Amino acid sequence: NAGVTQTPKFQVLKTGQSMTLQCAQDMNHNSMYWYRQDPGMGLRLIYYSASEGTTDKGEVPNGYNVSRLNKREFSLRLESAAPSQTSVYFCASSGQNTDTQYFGPGTRLTVL
Amino acid sequence: AQSVTQLGSHVSVSEGALVLLRCNYSSSVPPYLFWYVQYPNQGLQLLLKYTSAATLVKGINGFEAEFKKSETSFHLTKPSAHMSDAAEYFCAVIEGGSASKIIFGSGTRLSIRP
Repeated sequence: NAGVTQTPKFQVLKTGQSMTLQCAQDMNHNSMYWYRQDPGMGLRLIYYSASEGTTDKGEVPNGYNVSRLNKREFSLRLESAAPSQTSVYFCASSGQNTDTQYFGPGTRLTVL
Repeated sequence: AQSVTQLGSHVSVSEGALVLLRCNYSSSVPPYLFWYVQYPNQGLQLLLKYTSAATLVKGINGFEAEFKKSETSFHLTKPSAHMSDAAEYFCAVIEGGSASKIIFGSGTRLSIRP
């Protein structure tokens, strides 16, 4: 099992460009999550999907959209990137609501 | 509203010494509490979790944490530090049984001196 995979690993964008971060899990988990990690701020939840077809906003959803394509895949889209979105983005999944979360390796995004 | 405070952004201990990483939380309902570890350039992985069973929780790699409701604390300890324990550690709380309300602490970087 690969666990949680994320693509790409690194990305540099110019302000105003758009991009989609991809995430997939092969553990048959119901719940999936997108976080951003910034120095000194820990991880902050962007969006959460409890099951296929449902998504909920987390702590910092502004400027992002998500799609739960199927049970395996959960993508994060930046429609018009801003320098404030420079961060490391992590995808995670869990079996149920309060279960252990399994994290992907992260995507390091720089917006110039 | 729930919150998590990790005291000390950086802790340094000698190899073989006690490791103590502090976490205090605030929650209006019984929480679920977690400690995760992050090694350089990797994602987070679970060390241990408290889900209202035993108050002393044992995790991987010799770590354990004790839930103290009266002190609203969930400190992480390890009796004897090893060089491989050098990493960043995050405390997290889920309130009300909804993972959409998960809050992570700001993290504590643990360094181990030879």
